[in-house]
Amino acid sequence: GDSVTQKQGQVTLSEDDFLFINCTYSTTTYPTLLWYVQYLGQGPQLLLKVTTANNKGISRGFEATYDKGTTSFHLQKASVQESDSAVYFCALVATNAYKVIFGKGTHLHVLP
Amino acid sequence: DMKVTQMPRYLIKRMGENVLLECGQDMSHETMYWYRQDPGLGLQLIYISYDVDSNSEGDIPKGYRVSRKKREHFSLILDSAKTNQTSVYFCASSLGGGERLFFGHGTKLSVL
Repeated sequence: GDSVTQKQGQVTLSEDDFLFINCTYSTTTYPTLLWYVQYLGQGPQLLLKVTTANNKGISRGFEATYDKGTTSFHLQKASVQESDSAVYFCALVATNAYKVIFGKGTHLHVLP
Repeated sequence: DMKVTQMPRYLIKRMGENVLLECGQDMSHETMYWYRQDPGLGLQLIYISYDVDSNSEGDIPKGYRVSRKKREHFSLILDSAKTNQTSVYFCASSLGGGERLFFGHGTKLSVL
């Protein structure tokens, strides 16, 4: 069945550091891969979408790419700010196109 | 204004009591979801609703039921709540499939 694995539970960085969060996925169809961000006290919100058509998504300084060969996709940002502190979820739109499977989330803490 | 509204924001119940969590959206979205979020487990899908009276179990439906009598409103019901149902519950909606979910702010439920 469809699944997504996000192993990094917590990441602590200083401002201007480089961010890299990785996820792996498993699906039998062409995947639609997503990154959501959840700020404290709020629900998750869509940050980026990556499809097999474009291999890449860019939004708000974040970039997401995927590698079909290793069935992995990652989120990166060149220089994080304290305001980027949040929980980041990778997600996969399942084969039936309605179900969305989330990873366990990575809690990013950016020190000033 | 595109919004998913959840009521209440906080709820404390005793084991064995019935619980009703309500969710509304003003975007005329066909598809609605209920997820629960627990530390270290990410977001787990409880139910999907494809439209009025068209509901499907997610990954963890046991102990829950849902009701959708109007497109804009989706309820989650816990009959005889258990302590392991203490969690943060999120409702989400989407226009069609799962490529972009709009989440509410969540309901924090404590079952004592």
